[in-house]
Amino acid sequence: DAGVTQSPTHLIKTRGQHVTLRCSPISGHKSVSWYQQVLGQGPQFIFQYYEKEERGRGNFPDRFSARQFPNYSSELNVNALLLGDSALYLCASSYRGQGNNEQFFGPGTRLTVL
Amino acid sequence: GIQVEQSPPDLILQEGANSTLRCNFSDSVNNLQWFHQNPWGQLINLFYIPSGTKQNGRLSATTVATERYSLLYISSSQTTDSGVYFCAVEQGNQGGKLIFGQGTELSVKP
Repeated sequence: DAGVTQSPTHLIKTRGQHVTLRCSPISGHKSVSWYQQVLGQGPQFIFQYYEKEERGRGNFPDRFSARQFPNYSSELNVNALLLGDSALYLCASSYRGQGNNEQFFGPGTRLTVL
Repeated sequence: GIQVEQSPPDLILQEGANSTLRCNFSDSVNNLQWFHQNPWGQLINLFYIPSGTKQNGRLSATTVATERYSLLYISSSQTTDSGVYFCAVEQGNQGGKLIFGQGTELSVKP
């Protein structure tokens, strides 16, 4: 079975631009979470979606938004990019939304903002 | 919010040595996972272990939930074990949000 997939793998943008990152969960998983990992730190939670509804939001500005589609895939959108948005963006999928709920991560999208 | 602390922050071993990585957390949790992040950034699941002990080959983990810590044991280390090891926890009312520690960077020398 395929694991979590993310696209693109790498992306270079300039300040002020918009970016869309995509994630497909493991087949049968209904929850997708997004994390941002800057160099030298652990991943930071951005959003969780379960059954197409937002179930959790981390401490990120409104420039960050996401959605989940009927097939449980998800998009993360970031508007008005800043240099500080340069990071590895990780998507995780799980079967349930919370509780006794192992999460599995995709390979990530490495975003560079110039 | 809950704090997750990992120790040591860095560890250098000779191939064949054993090691113990520690994860302390400041509140009760209902999910604890250990990950290995490879040089390409992929987070690889090692253990899902909210409590108890599990073993997988040369790796094993123990979580003592009542004392709020977890240990990851690596025996007979190999150069391919190099990378960053993360502990992450989830609390029951936090919508599937994993809180990560800062990681332990392991380097295994041949």
